[in-house]
Amino acid sequence: DAGVIQSPRHEVTEMGQEVTLRCKPISGHDYLFWYRQTMMRGLELLIYFNNNVPIDDSGMPEDRFSAKMPNASFSTLKIQPSEPRDSAVYFCASRKTGVTGNTIYFGEGSWLTVV
Amino acid sequence: AQKVTQAQTEISVVEKEDVTLDCVYETRDTTYYLFWYKQPPSGELVFLIRRNSFDEQNEISGRYSWNFQKSTSSFNFTITASQVVDSAVYFCALSEPTSGTYKYIFGTGTRLKVLA
Repeated sequence: DAGVIQSPRHEVTEMGQEVTLRCKPISGHDYLFWYRQTMMRGLELLIYFNNNVPIDDSGMPEDRFSAKMPNASFSTLKIQPSEPRDSAVYFCASRKTGVTGNTIYFGEGSWLTVV
Repeated sequence: AQKVTQAQTEISVVEKEDVTLDCVYETRDTTYYLFWYKQPPSGELVFLIRRNSFDEQNEISGRYSWNFQKSTSSFNFTITASQVVDSAVYFCALSEPTSGTYKYIFGTGTRLKVLA
């Protein structure tokens, strides 16, 4: 089975530009999570969805960040406008209720650099 | 509140040595899950093991073993006869499904360097 698929793997963009990160969860999984990893703050949960509905977005740093999940197989995380402090690795993860005891499986991450 | 502490920031060992990575957690729930993930230099996060709070049985998988002790709120990870390929950052994580939030709290990670 395919794992969580993220794109792009690497992105370098200029400050002020819009950045869109994409995620395809594992088929059949009903939860989707967006995490951000930085040296200073470690792994932070930004937002998570259940059955395509955002449940908790308290980790989203500010209004420049937004996330959507239009269907069960696709989600986006958008940063507009981007700033250098947004440089980080962004991970998408998914899990299936009632199976494998709440284990979440991560994608390979999107490495974002804002210059 | 949930909290996961990995006090060891970095560990260096010589190949074939045994090494134990410590994880201490805090939770008020009686039902919870603990996890270990591996992040190799390539950057992906790889699931290693899950343990639920009702199962204190230790587990062994090849060179890897895990010791779960509720009395000390610890879930330690031991690599026997370490290899260079074990070099990675290892994260311990906690999930409290009964809280309804399904947040997974990660420790700060332990960087393991295995030297040839």
